[in-house]
Amino acid sequence: DAKTTQPPSMDCAEGRAANLPCNHSTISGNEYVYWYRQIHSQGPQYIIHGLKNNETNEMASLIITEDRKSSTLILPHATLRDTAVYYCIVGGATNKLIFGTGTLLAVQP
Amino acid sequence: DTGVSQDPRHKITKRGQNVTFRCDPISEHNRLYWYRQTLGQGPEFLTYFQNEAQLEKSRLLSDRFSAERPKGSFSTLEIQRTEQGDSAMYLCASSLAAGINIQYFGAGTRLSVL
Repeated sequence: DAKTTQPPSMDCAEGRAANLPCNHSTISGNEYVYWYRQIHSQGPQYIIHGLKNNETNEMASLIITEDRKSSTLILPHATLRDTAVYYCIVGGATNKLIFGTGTLLAVQP
Repeated sequence: DTGVSQDPRHKITKRGQNVTFRCDPISEHNRLYWYRQTLGQGPEFLTYFQNEAQLEKSRLLSDRFSAERPKGSFSTLEIQRTEQGDSAMYLCASSLAAGINIQYFGAGTRLSVL
């Protein structure tokens, strides 16, 4: 079973920031938080990962709470092409990925 | 394109037939994973290889399923005596064994069993 809890769906206006929450209260000390997304009819795409510190790359920012029991993925300026299912995954550095059902983000024009 | 390649993209077969899918990983990646995804669900892990060694298999991988990676490069997933319940998207991913487990996925093979 997935170790994360995400809302099933969210809406966001185009050009606004999308903030996608994830709860992972049973995360272990050596487990990472990974975010992937899956656009319709495509394979999942890696977005970002983090262990303890907040992270930022060209796609998104990842904010992890101090107790590491939850995190938020931030897409700073959502576009229509960001409409996808977003998966928050907790796992070790070399383990298989255990996906839940993710959050369907719908970016509205 | 140097990403993960899967072939075919779509496969329609009749119940009871055997099917085989192929995955070509990113060339320098020594880990290769197979996942299965049904409608409305996230991908489910099936098995993975490090080089040519199959290191883990999910209980989802029944004895009708077999995966190989004979030379540590491409991999095949075969399903024997297909059943309607095998209809799904079969996804392949690859990663480097060293460092963080960032997996890169192919576009998948969609199997429809009639």
